[in-house]
Amino acid sequence: NAGVTQTPKFQVLKTGQSMTLQCAQDMNHNSMYWYRQDPGMGLRLIYYSASEGTTDKGEVPNGYNVSRLNKREFSLRLESAAPSQTSVYFCASTEWVGLEETQYFGPGTRLLVL
Amino acid sequence: DQQVKQNSPSLSVQEGRISILNCDYTNSMFDYFLWYKKYPAEGPTFLISISSIKDKNEDGRFTVFLNKSAKHLSLHIVPSQPGDSAVYFCAASFSNAGGTSYGKLTFGQGTILTVHP
Repeated sequence: NAGVTQTPKFQVLKTGQSMTLQCAQDMNHNSMYWYRQDPGMGLRLIYYSASEGTTDKGEVPNGYNVSRLNKREFSLRLESAAPSQTSVYFCASTEWVGLEETQYFGPGTRLLVL
Repeated sequence: DQQVKQNSPSLSVQEGRISILNCDYTNSMFDYFLWYKKYPAEGPTFLISISSIKDKNEDGRFTVFLNKSAKHLSLHIVPSQPGDSAVYFCAASFSNAGGTSYGKLTFGQGTILTVHP
């Protein structure tokens, strides 16, 4: 049981390049999320997927797209990277016990856009 | 507009003493609160949570207190250990009209806890 996995761990891009961040979970969770963490800002929600086949915008969606490929996988795409997208990106999935939730996070992808 | 705030960027505590981390929120619709711990180069790890129907929840050395009238929650760690040194995030969530939250979390900025031996 690997939990939430993310690839790649590190990436350097030039302005205008594109890339896809991959995320997978093996816990059979319905809901998955993408966050970014910037210094002094905490984690901010980019996009989420409440269930397979659905996606919706979070707090900071501009410049990103997502795909919920299947129940396990949720990818984040930067079509034209900008220096403002330099950040650490975390994928997460949620387990529900009744109305109580626990969100499990991946190890993160560190992205530098030059 | 920061809906969840952790006003102390850092906290330093002696081993064996109590650590108290504080969190304030502004959105009265929040009804579920969580604390996460994060080590460098790792993802956040869930610590403890509390529903708005409670005012206290304990799990071993960790206790979370919720004061709804003050829109304030705190995490107490007793006794503190050097291994507790990490960044601590509080997060909040709320149920939508259908009574089922999509689990979207709003995080505070984090507090760096350092426990000295």
